Amino acid sequence: AQSVTQLDSQVPVFEEAPVELRCNYSSSVSVYLFWYVQYPNQGLQLLLKYLSGSTLVESINGFEAEFNKSQTSFHLRKPSVHISDTAEYFCAVSIQGAQKLVFGQGTRLTINP
Amino acid sequence: EAQVTQNPRYLITVTGKKLTVTCSQNMNHEYMSWYRQDPGLGLRQIYYSMNVEVTDKGDVPEGYKVSRKEKRNFPLILESPSPNQTSLYFCASSLYGGGANEQFFGPGTRLTVL
Repeated sequence: AQSVTQLDSQVPVFEEAPVELRCNYSSSVSVYLFWYVQYPNQGLQLLLKYLSGSTLVESINGFEAEFNKSQTSFHLRKPSVHISDTAEYFCAVSIQGAQKLVFGQGTRLTINP
Repeated sequence: EAQVTQNPRYLITVTGKKLTVTCSQNMNHEYMSWYRQDPGLGLRQIYYSMNVEVTDKGDVPEGYKVSRKEKRNFPLILESPSPNQTSLYFCASSLYGGGANEQFFGPGTRLTVL
């Protein structure tokens, strides 16, 4: 079975500072990895995903994540955050043929002006 | 606009009173799923459906029922709600199941069972 651990439940940062949200997973087979974002009072939206190929994946709003197989990690980074990035971020894992996403506990990102 | 809709968005009810949360998608997706979100636990899958008339249990199916009579609709039924079913519920859909496909989520239904 797969599992996901998000090491920080809350991350406060100042505007324009860099941020890293950590995600580690456990699986005995090859995985697909996802980051979803949940803005206040909204559903989840896909931010980026790793299926295969290049281990560095990017989103359209400046986030990136790197798949590290040896460390079983998929940390999310942004070099300079904005107030509008305030949200809860969920890391999720799936495998080929699976019928569900397995989610981490979520990390609440708070941006202070 | 491509979307997943859920109704109601907010619901307060009492123990034992049957309720249904509706979910509808307009993207012609084969796969649909229900999750519940609880603080500190992330999202956990309740039930999923690969196609019309095909449903199966997720990780936390106890106390819930689903049906998939039409491709676009996937209602979640609580026959006899209990306070431990107080949660935030999300419906999701994707083109197909199988792990690699992006799931599109509805806006959520916040349920309180007194």
